[in-house]
Amino acid sequence: SQTIHQWPATLVQPVGSPLSLECTVEGTSNPNLYWYRQAAGRGLQLLFYSVGIGQISSEVPQNLSASRPQDRQFILSSKKLLLSDSGFYLCAWNAGEAGELFFGEGSRLTVL
Amino acid sequence: GQNIDQPTEMTATEGAIVQINCTYQTSGFNGLFWYQQHAGEAPTFLSYNVLDGLEEKGRFSSFLSRSKGYSYLLLKELQMKDSASYLCAVKDSNYQLIWGAGTKLIIKP
Repeated sequence: SQTIHQWPATLVQPVGSPLSLECTVEGTSNPNLYWYRQAAGRGLQLLFYSVGIGQISSEVPQNLSASRPQDRQFILSSKKLLLSDSGFYLCAWNAGEAGELFFGEGSRLTVL
Repeated sequence: GQNIDQPTEMTATEGAIVQINCTYQTSGFNGLFWYQQHAGEAPTFLSYNVLDGLEEKGRFSSFLSRSKGYSYLLLKELQMKDSASYLCAVKDSNYQLIWGAGTKLIIKP
């Protein structure tokens, strides 16, 4: 069966520090992968998506970046975190007849 | 611009029925999704509508009217575990998902 995992689950980081969130998918090949951010009281914001190794599309200009070094691995990074980067980050892939999204467990980032 | 509207919060009683509405204005339409999200957890897929009408899945049903830009999620025989946020999302003409802010459903005994 297909599964998706992301880690770490919780992060508390100082402003200006780097970030790395990792997401892996198992049980499928060449998935479309997504990074979303969810702020309180707002809809999910698409940050990046990838249709294959090394192929990254950015939806929102910011100090975050994404990479896909392997088919089933998707990484979200930052060199220097800002206070506004705090939020709940979700990795997802789409499958099923309707192309519905399946999400990882989520990573809650607090920047102090 | 593109917009998804749903109520911020609703309260219902255990065992009752509740209807959560979603209205949308998007550039094109390629389907509407409902997700359930418990506090502190990731969203999970509930239902998908692309044609007008009602889709039923156990205690949950979802309705779509494309001409009115309107959908609702109907939850029957409410249980305490149904306390969660319910997210409406529409796939636009570019097959990009536009998300509503979610409706927080509070179930009281």
